[in-house]
Amino acid sequence: DTGVSQDPRHKITKRGQNVTFRCDPISEHNRLYWYRQTLGQGPEFLTYFQNEAQLEKSRLLSDRFSAERPKGSFSTLEIQRTEQGDSAMYLCASGRENTGELFFGEGSRLTVL
Amino acid sequence: SQQGEEDPQALSIQEGENATMNCSYKTSINNLQWYRQNSGRGLVHLILIRSNEREKHSGRLRVTLDTSKKSSSLLITASRAADTASYFCATALNSGNTPLVFGKGTRLSVIA
Repeated sequence: DTGVSQDPRHKITKRGQNVTFRCDPISEHNRLYWYRQTLGQGPEFLTYFQNEAQLEKSRLLSDRFSAERPKGSFSTLEIQRTEQGDSAMYLCASGRENTGELFFGEGSRLTVL
Repeated sequence: SQQGEEDPQALSIQEGENATMNCSYKTSINNLQWYRQNSGRGLVHLILIRSNEREKHSGRLRVTLDTSKKSSSLLITASRAADTASYFCATALNSGNTPLVFGKGTRLSVIA
C-alpha cells in the first residue's frame, strides 16, 4: 500500500493557462474523488469515479474543468483558461465502495497569478 | 455546499488537557467520519461512526453521535503538541453512493 500520490505538489501559472493534475490512487480502490480546498475551509467535492465511470460532478465543476480516469487507474484533472479564483489545493482521495473511509493524497496546490 | 459545521472554529489548549470538538449536520446520514489535516498536507482518516452507533473509541479518541440532535463530538484526551492540526467532520448521506461532505473544520493548537 503505497498511498495516494499526486503530481505536481505545487503549480504556479499565469491566468489563462491550462493546468493538469495527476492522481494515482491506492491500486485496490475502485473509487477516486477530487476535492478542492481553499484556505480556512473544508474540502469541497468536485467529482468522483467508480472504476473508469465518472458518476457525479459538482456544480462547482465549471466547463473549464474536466476529469478523466482512463482504464480505472490514475486520474487527471485539467483546468482550462485558469482564473485567479481557481487558486486552491486540489485533493485526490481513493476508497473502496461501501467502506466509507477515504485515503487522501498530499494535494496539488495551484496558484494562479 | 458544506453540510457539517464544526464548533469551535479554533481551540487552543495546554498539553495534557482534553480537547472537545463538535459537529452539527442537517440531513439524515449513513455514517459520520472525522479527519485530521496538518497544515499544507492531505487529510487523514481518524474514525468512522455509523448512524446506529452512539459512541466509538480509538486510542485517545472518543467520538459520540446523537442522531436525534444531528450532532457529533470528537474528544481527544491527554493532548500532545503533535495533535496540533485542523479536524474535520464529514458526513455520508446514504449507503455510500454519494461523496463525503466536509465541514469547515476546527483548528486545534496544543501548546507545550
